[in-house]
Amino acid sequence: EDKVVQSPLSLVVHEGDTVTLNCSYEVTNFRSLLWYKQEKKAPTFLFMLTSSGIEKKSGRLSSILDKKELFSILNITATQTGDSAIYLCAVEAQNTDKLIFGTGTRLQVFP
Amino acid sequence: NAGVMQNPRHLVRRRGQEARLRCSPMKGHSHVYWYRQLPEEGLKFMVYLQKENIIDESGMPKERFSAEFPKEGPSILRIQQVVRGDSAAYFCASSPQVGYEQYFGPGTRLTVT
Repeated sequence: EDKVVQSPLSLVVHEGDTVTLNCSYEVTNFRSLLWYKQEKKAPTFLFMLTSSGIEKKSGRLSSILDKKELFSILNITATQTGDSAIYLCAVEAQNTDKLIFGTGTRLQVFP
Repeated sequence: NAGVMQNPRHLVRRRGQEARLRCSPMKGHSHVYWYRQLPEEGLKFMVYLQKENIIDESGMPKERFSAEFPKEGPSILRIQQVVRGDSAAYFCASSPQVGYEQYFGPGTRLTVT
């Protein structure tokens, strides 16, 4: 059965810290891996990764995929209180268009 | 360009009533997906539709749940004879093509009393 596992489940840090969120997956016919940020509303799209070893970057956020080891990481540098959210990882298989989500990592950033 | 729109944002129904949730995809997007998020759980896929077609409904409960995406108008997720266990946040997402990122709406929080 296809599955996505995220770790840690929750993380508490102070502003300015750097955090690394992990996502491992098992899926038949992998197509892509996506990261979303969810506050008290809609999950907001962050990154879509399809190729191994190519880092995607947006401001203080970056992500990379390892298709051999079946995992991805999301890095956030110089964290701010506005980064507090649940970060969701999802994978998509070639033969279907549905996203399979992990349960998320809850990040809390304190001043 | 407006994002994915869902209404209502909050819906309260008594057990046995019907719930209708609406989703208007982003302009130019013809692929719609419905997901359910139960309290303290991750998002679970329910159904994938294109205009007038259900492509994948493997995540839909077999009874009481149905979805449509008519030629004109929003996609609708219908839950008949709601039960307390249907209380959840229902999210709609859309994409322009297969293999593109999905953009999510703000969700409808259904509470069954």
